[in-house]
Amino acid sequence: DAGVIQSPRHEVTEMGQEVTLRCKPISGHNSLFWYRQTMMRGLELLIYFNNNVPIDDSGMPEDRFSAKMPNASFSTLKIQPSEPRDSAVYFCASSFGYAGNTIYFGEGSWLTVV
Amino acid sequence: DQQVKQNSPSLSVQEGRISILNCDYTNSMFDYFLWYKKYPAEGPTFLISISSIKDKNEDGRFTVFLNKSAKHLSLHIVPSQPGDSAVYFCAATGASGTYKYIFGTGTRLKVLA
Repeated sequence: DAGVIQSPRHEVTEMGQEVTLRCKPISGHNSLFWYRQTMMRGLELLIYFNNNVPIDDSGMPEDRFSAKMPNASFSTLKIQPSEPRDSAVYFCASSFGYAGNTIYFGEGSWLTVV
Repeated sequence: DQQVKQNSPSLSVQEGRISILNCDYTNSMFDYFLWYKKYPAEGPTFLISISSIKDKNEDGRFTVFLNKSAKHLSLHIVPSQPGDSAVYFCAATGASGTYKYIFGTGTRLKVLA
């Protein structure tokens, strides 16, 4: 079975540019999570969706960040405009159903903003 | 406000000895806890979990202990192997209906051969 698929794996962009990260969750999963990994905060939850609906976006750092899930098999995380402090690894994860189920992570998108 | 805390950023253990990784949480609504292992350049992978109705769960060399009164859990790896060298994250979630998985900052384990 295919796991969570993220693209791009690596992105280097200049400050001020728009960045779009993409995620395809595991087929059949109805919850999707975006996390950011930094040294200081570990795995920080940015936003999560349930049945394609954003449930909690309280972790989104500021208005420059936005996320969408137009259907059950695709989600995007957009940063516009990007800043050097956005440099991090961004993970997408998915799970099925309810609290207590394991969530499965993609391999991450490494973002560097110069 | 960090609801899930891993206060030891790193730990070194000799091969064959026990590794103990600790995690504290502040939210009493959390009732399900998970440990994930992460190798460099890979996504975190699920290791073991425990529900708040239990105080121990074991899977091979890995055992997780939960102390609800202290809001503390720990992961024991016995015996430790060099392949266990990775970053370990604990995570917590609650059956509040709007479940979300909150992760700690991670502990980097190095098992010395």
